[in-house]
Parts: sequence; structure tokens; C-alpha cells
Amino acid sequence: EVQLVESGGGLVQPGGSLRLSCAASGFTFSNYWMNWVRQAPGKGLEWVANIKEDGSEYQHVDSVKGRFTISRDNARNSLYLQMNSLRAEDTAMYFCGRGLQVSPGIDYWGQGTLVTVSS
Amino acid sequence: DIQMTQSPSSLSASVGDRVTFTCRASQSIRTSLNWYQHSPGKAPKLLIYAASSLQSGVPSRFSGSGSGTDFTLTISSLQPEDFATYSCQQSYRTPQTFGQGTKVEIK
Repeated sequence: EVQLVESGGGLVQPGGSLRLSCAASGFTFSNYWMNWVRQAPGKGLEWVANIKEDGSEYQHVDSVKGRFTISRDNARNSLYLQMNSLRAEDTAMYFCGRGLQVSPGIDYWGQGTLVTVSS
Repeated sequence: DIQMTQSPSSLSASVGDRVTFTCRASQSIRTSLNWYQHSPGKAPKLLIYAASSLQSGVPSRFSGSGSGTDFTLTISSLQPEDFATYSCQQSYRTPQTFGQGTKVEIK
């Protein structure tokens, strides 16, 4: 069974940092693109970043470029999102998701970890 | 960025109803359109990919259609577990943008 479990969320002050983790199991992690998607309170889903199977390519949405970095450790079956210079507008539930192989998309999602940026 | 607009933003329906949602892209995305179901506290679920392909394990009452800029998701007979929010996503161009969602509520 595919499982994705996010962790690392919490309350942080503006300008602070957090590192989110996503532990994957039930599939060969190194064979899949991986994604981070977030949902702010009362808002729609927003794709944040994705990373290629071997970590050699990655992309971030413009609103987080220069502040967030996606990475992965295939030996640990883990995906990460390093978030620096956090702003109030980064407050959201953050989901990790496995890339669909047959077509771009996300076929499995975790339940999310909540990040709250507030003083 | 490609903007995705969903309508309606919410709807009330009864078990057994046929419901249809629409999603419009600000430019042609061919068939690079996915549909997801999500609810608070639950992991989002992929329903349809590439506009009309049913994801494995998803009930056949869900179907998708469209190409270019206009897409629809149809639930042929609404079930109690279908009361949720439905979001479309374009995967044609980075950033992969989502619509704002359509919330289905019990009438």
C-alpha cells in the first residue's frame, strides 16, 4: 500500500524557517517524481514544487523561489521541503504527492502537515 | 501562468443526482487536465487524469471530458461518500495550476 506521511509543520514566526519531511513507503520511491502542494485556509490547492526521480531536476512556483528548496533522499525514501524567510501568506496545509507515471499529475497524496506563520 | 476557473464554486445535490462541474483554462492545455477529490483531514484523491482517463480504483460513476480550454467532470449518480470538494489541475505547463474548487454539499 502506498503511504506518504508528512511531518515537520508547526507554528513559526515571520522570517523563520521550517523543514518539512515526507516519508514514503509501499513503492519504489526512486522511480517517481515527487511534489509538494499546499492549501491555505479558505483557498484552493497550489502546486509548490516538484523533483525528478534522481533529484537532478526540480522546479518551484515563483512565489517561493529563493526561499523554499525541494530535495529528496532516495536511500531514506524521503522527500523534503526546506522553507526559509517564511511569510504569513505561507500559512497552509502542505501535502506531498507522488507523480503519476503515465501522465503529469499526482496519484497519491499524504494527509498533510500544517504550517502556521504568525507572530 | 495558466489560470483555471471552476464553476460553480459550490452546489447542493441529493444522493442519486447526476452532477456536472466545469473547468476552464485561460489558454489551450490540450488534454493536460486532472481532477481531484478532497476533504478536510483527508488526503486528496486523483479521479481523472489526461482529461478523460479514469484513475485505477476510482468508481465508474466518475467521468471526465474536454480538450483545449473547456473540461467537465460528471458524477452519474451521487453517493454519500462523494460529498467533497473537486478541483481541476492543468499539467500542461509549469507551474501546474489548480482551479479554486467546487464544493458539493448535501441538499
